[in-house]
Amino acid sequence: GENVEQHPSTLSVQEGDSAVIKCTYSDSASNYFPWYKQELGKGPQLIIDIRSNVGEKKDQRIAVTLNKTAKHFSLHITETQPEDSAVYFCAASILGDKLVFGAGTILRVKS
Amino acid sequence: DGGITQSPKYLFRKEGQNVTLSCEQNLNHDAMYWYRQDPGQGLRLIYYSQIVNDFQKGDIAEGYSVSREKKESFPLTVTSAQKNPTAFYLCASSPGTDYGYTFGSGTRLTVV
Repeated sequence: GENVEQHPSTLSVQEGDSAVIKCTYSDSASNYFPWYKQELGKGPQLIIDIRSNVGEKKDQRIAVTLNKTAKHFSLHITETQPEDSAVYFCAASILGDKLVFGAGTILRVKS
Repeated sequence: DGGITQSPKYLFRKEGQNVTLSCEQNLNHDAMYWYRQDPGQGLRLIYYSQIVNDFQKGDIAEGYSVSREKKESFPLTVTSAQKNPTAFYLCASSPGTDYGYTFGSGTRLTVV
């Protein structure tokens, strides 16, 4: 079955710096890749997603890149702010099946 | 506003009792999911349903049961057979496969 590995497990950055979280997936048939942000005590919220026919997508300070050949995708957050501190999850879906989630990355933005 | 509602937010139960967690959505989504999250851990899939009157076991279904009698509702019962039920439970829904999930705000279950 599909497996998604996420790195790093924790990431500390200085306010204003960039943060990058990477995920790799195992099944070349995966075609949808969302990213979620979970704040303490709350449910995860979808922040950005990308489909396999697109290489990059950007939304203000957040961007996602996809390398289908290498089977990995990354979340990029620029100009980080303290409110970006949270747990981030990547996920991948195979056509016709459910999402498989990565183990999560704890991002701490130090002010 | 459309959304997904989990209730209650906090739940306390005595060991050996069954307890049912509620999940309701008004997004007209076909698929619904239940996840368990332990402190500092990721999301583990308990059960999911892609259509009314049908559901499948996830990775950790033992000790849990579900029903999907209505499109809007997907309640989860934590039975006395679940050895370590204290956790944060998340419900989610989606329009179908290859779409993002909308998560509820979670139910924190504590068994004493």
